[in-house]
Amino acid sequence: DVKVTQSSRYLVKRTGEKVFLECVQDMDHENMFWYRQDPGLGLRLIYFSYDVKMKEKGDIPEGYSVSREKKERFSLILESASTNQTSMYLCASRGGGSWNIQYFGAGTRLSVL
Amino acid sequence: AQKITQTQPGMFVQEKEAVTLDCTYDTSDQSYGLFWYKQPSSGEMIFLIYQGSYDEQNATEGRYSLNFQKARKSANLVISASQLGDSAMYFCAMRELSYNQGGKLIFGQGTELSVKP
Repeated sequence: DVKVTQSSRYLVKRTGEKVFLECVQDMDHENMFWYRQDPGLGLRLIYFSYDVKMKEKGDIPEGYSVSREKKERFSLILESASTNQTSMYLCASRGGGSWNIQYFGAGTRLSVL
Repeated sequence: AQKITQTQPGMFVQEKEAVTLDCTYDTSDQSYGLFWYKQPSSGEMIFLIYQGSYDEQNATEGRYSLNFQKARKSANLVISASQLGDSAMYFCAMRELSYNQGGKLIFGQGTELSVKP
């Protein structure tokens, strides 16, 4: 079975804290993605990675960074959390091949107070 | 620009009946893929069905089928014999083969489906 695991389902942080969201996939997928989901705005791509140590900015990278040191793990980092980063964060992975399916984790609901 | 439009913010269906969720898309590319995902209140995005732009047959997966009308740029999801567990948000998404962001999906705003007993 396909498995994308996000380390936390719910997270509460303070403004200014450094926040790490972890994502692990067990399918040996090359591509991994971080999206955020907000009411009325839908899902928006933050960053993606197509290989170890490789990353590309998505539509809304400001205030975020990512790390991919191992193929199975893709981390999203909020360098200094702000209240406007309160959101649902979804990690996804996809194998090579043009139309392979993108599989999602269960999501992390982050609240920044 | 690529765009997905879902015009039904919310829908109700009686248990055991069929329901159609609408999706239209806009792209200038000839090669693209269309996807439907289900998101229950727990938050996980669950893949349901996929249709490629060159596929001549409509995709089917169990109780899910995709009514693909290329000329009209529509990719409606049909759920047959609705079950209470089908109550969720449903998202239509598109990926362009030539798009340079590694497989980014573009999502519609979603349709919230409620199945009544």
